Amino acid sequence: AQTVTQSQPEMSVQEAETVTLSCTYDTSESDYYLFWYKQPPSRQMILVIRQEAYKQQNATENRFSVNFQKAAKSFSLKISDSQLGDAAMYFCAYRGPNYGGSQGNLIFGKGTKLSVKP
Amino acid sequence: AAGVIQSPRHLIKEKRETATLKCYPIPRHDTVYWYQQGPGQDPQFLISFYEKMQSDKGSIPDRFSAQQFSDYHSELNMSSLELGDSALYFCASSWGERAGSTEAFFGQGTRLTVV
Repeated sequence: AQTVTQSQPEMSVQEAETVTLSCTYDTSESDYYLFWYKQPPSRQMILVIRQEAYKQQNATENRFSVNFQKAAKSFSLKISDSQLGDAAMYFCAYRGPNYGGSQGNLIFGKGTKLSVKP
Repeated sequence: AAGVIQSPRHLIKEKRETATLKCYPIPRHDTVYWYQQGPGQDPQFLISFYEKMQSDKGSIPDRFSAQQFSDYHSELNMSSLELGDSALYFCASSWGERAGSTEAFFGQGTRLTVV
């Protein structure tokens, strides 16, 4: 069974600084997808960034980027120029190959609570 | 752009009562997922539907059932409610088999409180 591990229950960063959130996963699949979701106090699940396993290039979305190490099964999120609005719970999630809807569900890590200090 | 709509947003029920949660996916999305997120927990997958058929089943109690209707909306029916069922219930939708489709879009959730 696939598992996702986030080893940092809480992290803190100074405004405008950079922070990296860690995530490791375990799977026997070669084709899969990885995601980082942000959950602010409103509890809305917001997609931050996604990575397809077959792509070697690390995904980037504005201030958010990932370091995807497929062999090490590691998928860390880097937030640059941190802003107060980045404070939230961040979940790393895995999704297997999706054929006709099957195996399309997400498996989440336990989450990392990020605090941003002004 | 249209998003995933869940109703109601908040629901308070007593123990042993029944609750029905509704999910309206993004237009043309054919796959719906249900997740349960307890307080301080990560979301746990309950069940999914693709083209109105159940596609996958997770940790859904036998007291819960769900279906996807012809208009692709989905309902999660919860019976004999227990205090431990108090949680945030998310619905997400995606294209089930669309090549290149990778992400599910989440609704805002239904917060169920069982008293």
